[in-house]
Amino acid sequence: AQSVTQLDSHVSVSEGTPVLLRCNYSSSYSPSLFWYVQHPNKGLQLLLKYTSAATLVKGINGFEAEFKKSETSFHLTKPSAHMSDAAEYFCVVTYNNNDMRFGAGTRLTVKP
Amino acid sequence: DTEVTQTPKHLVMGMTNKKSLKCEQHMGHRAMYWYKQKAKKPPELMFVYSYEKLSINESVPSRFSPECPNSSLLNLHLHALQPEDSALYLCASSQLASGSSTDTQYFGPGTRLTVL
Repeated sequence: AQSVTQLDSHVSVSEGTPVLLRCNYSSSYSPSLFWYVQHPNKGLQLLLKYTSAATLVKGINGFEAEFKKSETSFHLTKPSAHMSDAAEYFCVVTYNNNDMRFGAGTRLTVKP
Repeated sequence: DTEVTQTPKHLVMGMTNKKSLKCEQHMGHRAMYWYKQKAKKPPELMFVYSYEKLSINESVPSRFSPECPNSSLLNLHLHALQPEDSALYLCASSQLASGSSTDTQYFGPGTRLTVL
């Protein structure tokens, strides 16, 4: 069975400081992993995805994530937060494209 | 172009009304999806269409009726809804119809539905 756990429901950072959003997964197979961002009253936008190529994945807007099989983790990071990064972030694990398992989401707040 | 469009953006309907949500993509994707998202929750899968055929129905009540008239268009017909059906309804599409873990779903902006 596959599942995904986002370890923090809410993360608050100051503008210009690093961002770390944590995600752990459980999968019986080699997973594909995604991070999506959702701004208020908007749809989901793909930030990045891991599909068994390079373990360090770079995405849009300066975000990146590292796949660590030994830790079953896929944490999302950004060196310097911007006010525009304030949003809800979802970690997703999938074995096939019809079976996407969403984490509960992490709300990122960026303080001026 | 990775755009999925949805209309209307907002919809308010009574419990006896019949309305439809529309989703469109022109990326040549062969799989399309409907999700329901309640406030502060992740999206929940409702339906999956592969090659214009319904392939997954996640035990959704019959007051929600999906339709895929062609490979670019997906509708969700609504009838006799309940107030608890109020939510953001998201449409998504992906390139490959059969199971592939590397496939990416692209989401539309959603329709905010309020049932009075």
